[in-house]
Amino acid sequence: DTGVSQDPRHKITKRGQNVTFRCDPISEHNRLYWYRQTLGQGPEFLTYFQNEAQLEKSRLLSDRFSAERPKGSFSTLEIQRTEQGDSAMYLCASSLAQAYGELFFGEGSRLTVL
Amino acid sequence: GNSVTQMEGPVTLSEEAFLTINCTYTATGYPSLFWYVQYPGEGLQLLLKATKADDKGSNKGFEATYRKETTSFHLEKGSVQVSDSAVYFCALRSPAGNMLTFGGGTRLMVKP
Repeated sequence: DTGVSQDPRHKITKRGQNVTFRCDPISEHNRLYWYRQTLGQGPEFLTYFQNEAQLEKSRLLSDRFSAERPKGSFSTLEIQRTEQGDSAMYLCASSLAQAYGELFFGEGSRLTVL
Repeated sequence: GNSVTQMEGPVTLSEEAFLTINCTYTATGYPSLFWYVQYPGEGLQLLLKATKADDKGSNKGFEATYRKETTSFHLEKGSVQVSDSAVYFCALRSPAGNMLTFGGGTRLMVKP
């Protein structure tokens, strides 16, 4: 399967713990996006990378959130000191830079903070 | 700022019924418009798109026309199937932006 893969698919953690999600994009895609989706809502943009450069961050991305894409391939999204309000589905998507809006999404990583 | 508003679901139809899911948007300039679909247990996938006014996007029997005058991009299908049961998201990308703004999604349930 050469689609976007995310790991883990589901993470349950206690409030205050740190969690990290990984995304492996489609190999030839140079753009990688992170979105957050809560139940019954549409995805909300968090941040995106072009190659290894993080080019834009939403104001939704508080100081407790950090994303990296060190070699321009896979990406990680870390949430420090989790809060119950962080419970959501975290979606990763990738695209070619010139394919504006044509994103390929992974199945998501569901976070539950107890 | 940019925003997308979709009709609330769920929308429940019988097989072979006509489908319309309304979508309106607010944006500066001339955005590109998209419909994404999320089948149960799967990631979102692009269904169709339109990049300028009066363009019609189409795929798998679904159609949507970019109406600048009414800032709308309604999704239609003439005859739905049970396999069309999914959540449908309308989205836009502004000319100056690099990310998508999504609507809240509309769940479609098609009964045999």
